[in-house]
Amino acid sequence: GQSLEQPSEVTAVEGAIVQINCTYQTSGFYGLSWYQQHDGGAPTFLSYNALDGLEETGRFSSFLSRSDSYGYLLLQELQMKDSASYFCASRTYTGGFKTIFGAGTRLFVKA
Amino acid sequence: DAGVIQSPRHEVTEMGQEVTLRCKPISGHNSLFWYRQTMMRGLELLIYFNNNVPIDDSGMPEDRFSAKMPNASFSTLKIQPSEPRDSAVYFCASSARGQGADTEAFFGQGTRLTVV
Repeated sequence: GQSLEQPSEVTAVEGAIVQINCTYQTSGFYGLSWYQQHDGGAPTFLSYNALDGLEETGRFSSFLSRSDSYGYLLLQELQMKDSASYFCASRTYTGGFKTIFGAGTRLFVKA
Repeated sequence: DAGVIQSPRHEVTEMGQEVTLRCKPISGHNSLFWYRQTMMRGLELLIYFNNNVPIDDSGMPEDRFSAKMPNASFSTLKIQPSEPRDSAVYFCASSARGQGADTEAFFGQGTRLTVV
């Protein structure tokens, strides 16, 4: 089967750093993506890790360890606008590429 | 490109009626996905197409749901007959085939379906 586990909720203060973890069990695994979704909006792509290590994009970084079936999203210098849901998603291949989403982590940023 | 376009944005229908959701993927993308999002179940992959061919429909909840992709620029998701438990936001997404930076899935704005 395919499953991704991530915390349901995280709270942090403005300016802080927060890490959202994700563990996965998927067959045909190619890589791990992260998406952001604001209330009432559509998921938008943040990052993708195909190889082990850290990928940095501005204030956001994402990490993958394939041997541990684990990844995380790191958000630095938190801003109020970062309050949203964050989804890890596995990119898999079973006859075609598809993306399976975790349940999402709701991030609350407080002033 | 205007992105992934879904219609309608909102749909309210009575139980038992047929509902058709529409999606136009980004031009040049050859993978198309239909997702359903609810508070209880999160984002569920219903079906995906590769080069207009359905590859995996194991996420389709039951026979009341069907999806088609008659050409590279159009797909439909149909529910017949609809039931209140089908109420959800339905997203269509498209992506380009590949393993690098083009693995991003681009989502439409979704169709909020309410079945009363």
